Amino acid sequence: GQNIDQPTEMTATEGAIVQINCTYQTSGFNGLFWYQQHAGEAPTFLSYNVLDGLEEKGRFSSFLSRSKGYSYLLLKELQMKDSASYLCAVTDSNYQLIWGAGTKLIIKP
Amino acid sequence: IAGITQAPTSQILAAGRRMTLRCTQDMRHNAMYWYRQDLGLGLRLIHYSNTAGTTGKGEVPDGYSVSRANTDDFPLTLASAVPSQTSVYFCASSDSLAGVNEQFFGPGTRLTVL
Repeated sequence: GQNIDQPTEMTATEGAIVQINCTYQTSGFNGLFWYQQHAGEAPTFLSYNVLDGLEEKGRFSSFLSRSKGYSYLLLKELQMKDSASYLCAVTDSNYQLIWGAGTKLIIKP
Repeated sequence: IAGITQAPTSQILAAGRRMTLRCTQDMRHNAMYWYRQDLGLGLRLIHYSNTAGTTGKGEVPDGYSVSRANTDDFPLTLASAVPSQTSVYFCASSDSLAGVNEQFFGPGTRLTVL
């Protein structure tokens, strides 16, 4: 079966760095997405990786290792507004998005 | 403002009633999707459409139907609602099914079936 695993919840301190991991087992791979979802709101796109390596976009970076079925989202200089759920999703061989359950990130002052 | 709209924002429905959730996008995206999101579970695909006139079943299609008469609209119908269909429903669209198919989401419909 297809499976996306990510931690249920993480806590970090304002100004610090946090890494949210995602491992996947899917039938085929055509890219990995990270989305941010604030409570009561819709998911919004953060990043996309299809090749191995690190993609940096401001305070957020996303890493992919296809051979290990592994990705992480790195958030630097954490701000209170970063408190949200972070969703990992993989595009399978049929170009369907398979979603993880999300990681709820709690930022403490 | 370009984007996706959904209606209603929320709804309380008696079991056995018929309900249609509306979704409209103005980005001229080819692909559209309906998801449900339940606490502790990831987004689960109900139905999708690659282009106007075509639809397909997702992971959890039972009890739901869709139509795609044109590019902009993708309504989701619950023929006879049951309490297990209580959920938050998100409509999404993307420019295409393949490639960097970033999906844009509507604001969601919170549905409660009693």
